[in-house]
Amino acid sequence: AQKITQTQPGMFVQEKEAVTLDCTYDTSDPSYGLFWYKQPSSGEMIFLIYQGSYDQQNATEGRYSLNFQKARKSANLVISASQLGDSAMYFCAMREITEYGNKLVFGAGTILRVKS
Amino acid sequence: DTGVSQDPRHKITKRGQNVTFRCDPISEHNRLYWYRQTLGQGPEFLTYFQNEAQLEKSRLLSDRFSAERPKGSFSTLEIQRTEQGDSAMYLCASLAGGARGYTFGSGTRLTVV
Repeated sequence: AQKITQTQPGMFVQEKEAVTLDCTYDTSDPSYGLFWYKQPSSGEMIFLIYQGSYDQQNATEGRYSLNFQKARKSANLVISASQLGDSAMYFCAMREITEYGNKLVFGAGTILRVKS
Repeated sequence: DTGVSQDPRHKITKRGQNVTFRCDPISEHNRLYWYRQTLGQGPEFLTYFQNEAQLEKSRLLSDRFSAERPKGSFSTLEIQRTEQGDSAMYLCASLAGGARGYTFGSGTRLTVV
C-alpha cells in the first residue's frame, strides 16, 4: 500500500518570502507520480505541479517547484515569493496504479497562511 | 466553462433522508472519480469509472452509497438513509486516458443534521 505523509499541519510565511511544504511517500512501485494540489476555502482542488518518478529534473511551474529527492522518498513543494492569495490548504498526492487503473492517494495536508 | 461541475455546492439534510449529487466531468475525459473529504483531512477515494463501467469501489463505500455513470458522461452519487458521519465534502475528478492531470470540481459539501 502506498502512503503519503505531510508532517506540517500548519505553516506561516511572510509575504514575498519562500516557503517549503514537506511531503514524504512510501511505495514499492518503481513507476509513480507525485502531485501537489492547492485547496482554497472555496473547496476546489487546484493542480499545481507534477513529478514523475523517472523525471531527471525537478519539476517547476512558475513560482512552484518540487524538490524531488528519490532516495529519501521526499517531494517537497517550494513556493517562491509568497503572495496573500497563496493562503490555502496544500495536499501532496501520489498516483497509485491498481489492476483497474489509477487513482490519487492524498496526504493529510498543510495549511499555509501568508502574512502581510 | 470546460471544467468539472458539481451540483449542488451545498446540501443540508436531515438524518435518514436520501441525497443525490451530480458531477459533470470534462467532456473528453473518460475516467471519473469520487472522493470524500472530512474536515481537516485529505480526500479519500470512494469509486472510479472508466466510461460507464464502475471499475473500483473503496470499502468506504457502504451499501448506503451508490454511484452511476449511465452514459459515460455525467455521474451521480446517492447516499441513502444519511447519517451524521456522512457529513463531508464530496469531490469529483475526471481524467483523460493516458494523461497525468486529474481535474477536480469544487465539490458538494454535505451537512447531515
